[in-house]
Amino acid sequence: DGGITQSPKYLFRKEGQNVTLSCEQNLNHDAMYWYRQDPGQGLRLIYYSQIVNDFQKGDIAEGYSVSREKKESFPLTVTSAQKNPTAFYLCASSYRGGTEAFFGQGTRLTVV
Amino acid sequence: AQSVTQPDIHITVSEGASLELRCNYSYGATPYLFWYVQSPGQGLQLLLKYFSGDTLVQGIKGFEAEFKRSQSSFNLRKPSVHWSDAAEYFCAVGAPNQGGKLIFGQGTELSVKP
Repeated sequence: DGGITQSPKYLFRKEGQNVTLSCEQNLNHDAMYWYRQDPGQGLRLIYYSQIVNDFQKGDIAEGYSVSREKKESFPLTVTSAQKNPTAFYLCASSYRGGTEAFFGQGTRLTVV
Repeated sequence: AQSVTQPDIHITVSEGASLELRCNYSYGATPYLFWYVQSPGQGLQLLLKYFSGDTLVQGIKGFEAEFKRSQSSFNLRKPSVHWSDAAEYFCAVGAPNQGGKLIFGQGTELSVKP
């Protein structure tokens, strides 16, 4: 079945460590997105990529980095510079120029 | 500035009662409008979307929404709520051909009383 796979579902890290969240899609979508979700704040866009080897910052990119070496994959690294990294992270994808996004099941990151 | 406001943080309705979730947006051009639903600890599922044409759109699970340009609103409705509808609901706005580059509201948590 086609879809978006985020792994792991739960992730625990010590403060000061970088951590990478995985997002893979087999929908043949060109565009991929990372959102952060905090209680009472909805979803906020971190980074997005319309094509391979290209990506743009969203509204809250500070402390995060991404890469897009393959069409199917868009990993997100939460760096030690991110001041409050504990959150629920959602990956999404769409056709480039498309009108609808499909979401993964999310990764809950807890930094202790 | 572009924004989406969902005025109700939490709503409780009785099973079988009707439901309306409010959504107001601020957007410079003709927006694309979406409603998503999220169960606890899960991703988002698209309920319905509006791009153009008929201002009353039908979605999955018996939901519908009405676009009112004059009020900058896109309220979600369901005539009879089921216990399984308990979840968090997000309204979102996007530009044409921008795919998943969306601005989300804060969400409305729906509880259903038996």
